[in-house]
Amino acid sequence: LAKTTQPISMDSYEGQEVNITCSHNNIATNDYITWYQQFPSQGPRFIIQGYKTKVTNEVASLFIPADRKSSTLSLPRVSLSDTAVYYCLVGDIYSSASKIIFGSGTRLSIRP
Amino acid sequence: NAGVTQTPKFRVLKTGQSMTLLCAQDMNHEYMYWYRQDPGMGLRLIHYSVGEGTTAKGEVPDGYNVSRLKKQNFLLGLESAAPSQTSVYFCASTDGQAIDYEQYFGPGTRLTVT
Repeated sequence: LAKTTQPISMDSYEGQEVNITCSHNNIATNDYITWYQQFPSQGPRFIIQGYKTKVTNEVASLFIPADRKSSTLSLPRVSLSDTAVYYCLVGDIYSSASKIIFGSGTRLSIRP
Repeated sequence: NAGVTQTPKFRVLKTGQSMTLLCAQDMNHEYMYWYRQDPGMGLRLIHYSVGEGTTAKGEVPDGYNVSRLKKQNFLLGLESAAPSQTSVYFCASTDGQAIDYEQYFGPGTRLTVT
């Protein structure tokens, strides 16, 4: 699986847009990019997944440039409840989910 | 629809004691996983199952055993608990094996071994 690198932590304020970038320089052709969110004392939950360009859902947007060597999770107008750890995962859709690697993630703290 | 549930939520064990963690899912998923998460760390896969009656080792299987006698349940056992097994344990299930299938996680079991 492609190795990912993301910031250890980020701080922002309520109402701001937050962008978390994940670097995955050795991403392969069949790899998808997936983001999970983990609130304190809870299990991770799926946020968004994409292959290229832009994907948007009710929670976030995912921007993937043409070379796919990085991706950016965008959270619009964050609130205190967006305080969580965000994990970027990259993997081949033909590989077993048992090969998923949850790194340390990015700890996002939102302040009033 | 309860999703993925875990029992118990908290447990304190003494070194050498044994226990079983239960994971149950009501989504008819074939694939189930047990992870551990240590403070400030990501999740590490302990064991997983690709269907009823099957189990396989993950990244950190030593000291743990698992069983999947029923499709909806995945049990994680600690035969002789050690302080190094103090962690939060998460169970997850998916509809498919590939990485693009969303994993549904349980609320976790916080285990302390003294």
